[in-house]
Amino acid sequence: AQSVAQPEDQVNVAEGNPLTVKCTYSVSGNPYLFWYVQYPNRGLQFLLKYITGDNLVKGSYGFEAEFNKSQTSFHLKKPSALVSDSALYFCAVRDSGNNRLAFGKGNQVVVIP
Amino acid sequence: DAGITQSPRHKVTETGTPVTLRCHQTENHRYMYWYRQDPGHGLRLIHYSYGVKDTDKGEVSDGYSVSRSKTEDFLLTLESATSSQTSVYFCAISESESRNYGYTFGSGTRLTVV
Repeated sequence: AQSVAQPEDQVNVAEGNPLTVKCTYSVSGNPYLFWYVQYPNRGLQFLLKYITGDNLVKGSYGFEAEFNKSQTSFHLKKPSALVSDSALYFCAVRDSGNNRLAFGKGNQVVVIP
Repeated sequence: DAGITQSPRHKVTETGTPVTLRCHQTENHRYMYWYRQDPGHGLRLIHYSYGVKDTDKGEVSDGYSVSRSKTEDFLLTLESATSSQTSVYFCAISESESRNYGYTFGSGTRLTVV
């Protein structure tokens, strides 16, 4: 079965600094990868996805993600973090067996003013 | 969260009582899912549906049942609530299970079993 791992429980970053949220994946075949964000007391919102093509994917709210096949990674990045980016971030992969999304455990991002 | 609503948003119930959570969509999507979210576990799939009256179990289905009598509604029932079912429950919908499609999530129901 496909899976994703988010190795850090929490990421702290100062406002204005670059933000990186890590995700590694394990799939058989081509990976279909997604990032979602969850703000307090809200549902998950789609940020971006990698299907094929350019390894750098641009998404909502200034976020981008870099697909690296050799490292089996799909890290989420933002050049300059905002306090409003403080949220829970989930990486997900489409399972080629059952076609459902498999989610990581999530990363709490805290942006410090 | 447009197009998908969950009710109630918050509920407190007593151990042993049945509880039903509702997910309603206006997108006419075929696929619907119920997840629970717990610290340290992320999102875990409870049940899902691939059409009216077509449902199947997810990874944490014990103690839960679902029904889908109409495309727009997917109900999650806790037959006899236990404290371990205290959680935040999310419904999600998807137009397709093709691999380039993601999910749209509702705002969640916070359930407390006392």
